[in-house]
Amino acid sequence: DSGVTQTPKHLITATGQRVTLRCSPRSGDLSVYWYQQSLDQGLQFLIQYYNGEERAKGNILERFSAQQFPDLHSELNLSSLELGDSALYFCASGRGSLQETQYFGPGTRLLVL
Amino acid sequence: QQQVKQSPQSLIVQKGGISIINCAYENTAFDYFPWYQQFPGKGPALLIAIRPDVSEKKEGRFTISFNKSAKQFSLHIMDSQPGDSATYFCAAHSGNTGKLIFGQGTTLQVKP
Repeated sequence: DSGVTQTPKHLITATGQRVTLRCSPRSGDLSVYWYQQSLDQGLQFLIQYYNGEERAKGNILERFSAQQFPDLHSELNLSSLELGDSALYFCASGRGSLQETQYFGPGTRLLVL
Repeated sequence: QQQVKQSPQSLIVQKGGISIINCAYENTAFDYFPWYQQFPGKGPALLIAIRPDVSEKKEGRFTISFNKSAKQFSLHIMDSQPGDSATYFCAAHSGNTGKLIFGQGTTLQVKP
């Protein structure tokens, strides 16, 4: 157990809908990273928040957004969902803003029908 | 330049054998190279990591070999066990952004 929690574990929704994925980092960690894992693209970095501020952006679609709250939990919002958004979404946490050691949560499996 | 290339895509090894997975990178700004192990339905778990100023790091049956001049690094699993059957990802940490760039993964099967 990495100490990173993610909810929900599974999510099934329809195209065009909007969903919110939640992540709670390990105690003491200030950074939250979001990654998408799909069969064809592998593990792709989406976005990082550090202590409430957006720190780095990767291959995140404009339909996706994230935020980190004062209690350091983070939410990833996915809107206007398409079939291709079906994937595993992981969050990871780390101590610092340029944290090398990142601990991954169990993931949320999203299926868009 | 941000890519990390991993090979092989899949690997079958007999119990007790050595599993070797290779990765190559281009960006010399990468400053940390972790390996993650992922079991089906689970998140990636940090296995072992190395910095570019070290040529080898060993933790139990797991060893990373690092060749800075060739920009390559590899994971060796000695005395491979069926419980090691999982997907392994190499990654490179970008010191400028903090993000991890992952290889495509290697699915390892250790046969009893």
